[in-house]
Amino acid sequence: EVQLVESGGGLVQPGGSLRLSCAASGFTLTNYYMHWVRQSPGKGLVWLSRINAVGRGDYAYSVEGRFTVSRDTAQNMLFLQMNSLRAEDTALYFCARGLYDRHLDVWGQGVLVTVS
Amino acid sequence: QSALTQPASVSGSPGQSITISCTGTSGDVGAYDYVSWYQQHPGKAPKLIISDVSRRPSGVSSRFSGSKSGNTASLTISWLQADDEADYYCCSYTGASTLLTFGGGTKVSVL
Repeated sequence: EVQLVESGGGLVQPGGSLRLSCAASGFTLTNYYMHWVRQSPGKGLVWLSRINAVGRGDYAYSVEGRFTVSRDTAQNMLFLQMNSLRAEDTALYFCARGLYDRHLDVWGQGVLVTVS
Repeated sequence: QSALTQPASVSGSPGQSITISCTGTSGDVGAYDYVSWYQQHPGKAPKLIISDVSRRPSGVSSRFSGSKSGNTASLTISWLQADDEADYYCCSYTGASTLLTFGGGTKVSVL
């Protein structure tokens, strides 16, 4: 079964750091573009970052320079390193599998990050 | 990159059809046929229901259909059912450094 499971969320103080993980199963992560999307409480979806098949990361303006996407091919895992966290980064963070940058066909259940 | 514009809410009775609009610009919706739609039930992860403007992934009901004209994409839900009550988000590839932009979401209510 194709599945994504996020972990690593929690409560962090403003200015702090957190590393989110996303474990992929049922497919090889490096064969796809992998994305991070977040959803603030009661709000809509916001795209954050993507790592492509060759390992290049791209970022939304709001997180560029603070967030870094990476992956571990041996563990088939995706990561999001989040630094200099702000209250407005409080959200549910989803990892998602992309068919390139066209659409996101598999989503994790999300992991909650609270900056306070 | 501004979010795509969707109506905040749309409602309909069971059996009716509703359409949700998604307005972007000539730099996103108007430039690429990479518009997708996602359904999100409360407390759940989003689910892809339309890709590439009008393609339905395997397993998605044929009651869902998508289209695009100029800078506006649309999602139509035919034969509305109670389980269609959810939030719906459109999304477009932008070709810019912020690669994907989502709409603000539309809450569909089944009366």
